Amino acid sequence: GQQVMQIPQYQHVQEGEDFTTYCNSSTTLSNIQWYKQRPGGHPVFLIQLVKSGEVKKQKRLTFQFGEAKKNSSLHITATQTTDVGTYFCAGPVWGTYKYIFGTGTRLKVLA
Amino acid sequence: SQTIHQWPATLVQPVGSPLSLECTVEGTSNPNLYWYRQAAGRGLQLLFYSVGIGQISSEVPQNLSASRPQDRQFILSSKKLLLSDSGFYLCAWSGAGLVYSNQPQHFGDGTRLSIL
Repeated sequence: GQQVMQIPQYQHVQEGEDFTTYCNSSTTLSNIQWYKQRPGGHPVFLIQLVKSGEVKKQKRLTFQFGEAKKNSSLHITATQTTDVGTYFCAGPVWGTYKYIFGTGTRLKVLA
Repeated sequence: SQTIHQWPATLVQPVGSPLSLECTVEGTSNPNLYWYRQAAGRGLQLLFYSVGIGQISSEVPQNLSASRPQDRQFILSSKKLLLSDSGFYLCAWSGAGLVYSNQPQHFGDGTRLSIL
């Protein structure tokens, strides 16, 4: 069945360092979404990418959607302690109203 | 604005007891509704989703059931809880949209369920 994998599973960085998480789907996606879940909290929608090769920025966060629409990445420049949490990508299951979530990348930022 | 309410925030239940978790959405109509379960430190597992009143799609064979008695109400139930039912249960809604799966999901605060 359709799978969405993320790497790395965990990442510890020093505050101020950059961070990247990668999302890979077993199937071509019509769009991809990214969510952030703070420790003890619920996932919060960050952004949706739709077009092949699309790049979107939110302050220090840069999101990319691959040309083949099977992979995506989230890059954080100069991490801060507020970036701590787990980042999930989510891809739609074709022909349905549901999404399959990636395995998540847990980010810890050391001050 | 739209809001989603989920309760209770935490729940401790004995094995074999029943369960009822409720989720309600305000400020929108005809939302798609979802129940997820998250084990500690793990990803999100879709349990059920609904695109309309009385319509339920079940994703994983298990000890749980879901119902949607009203447009903006989604209920997760069990007749007899198992130890393996422990976890963080999240309700989410999205706009119905004109095409499949192109709407962001908005999550409730979740219920932490511990089975003893």
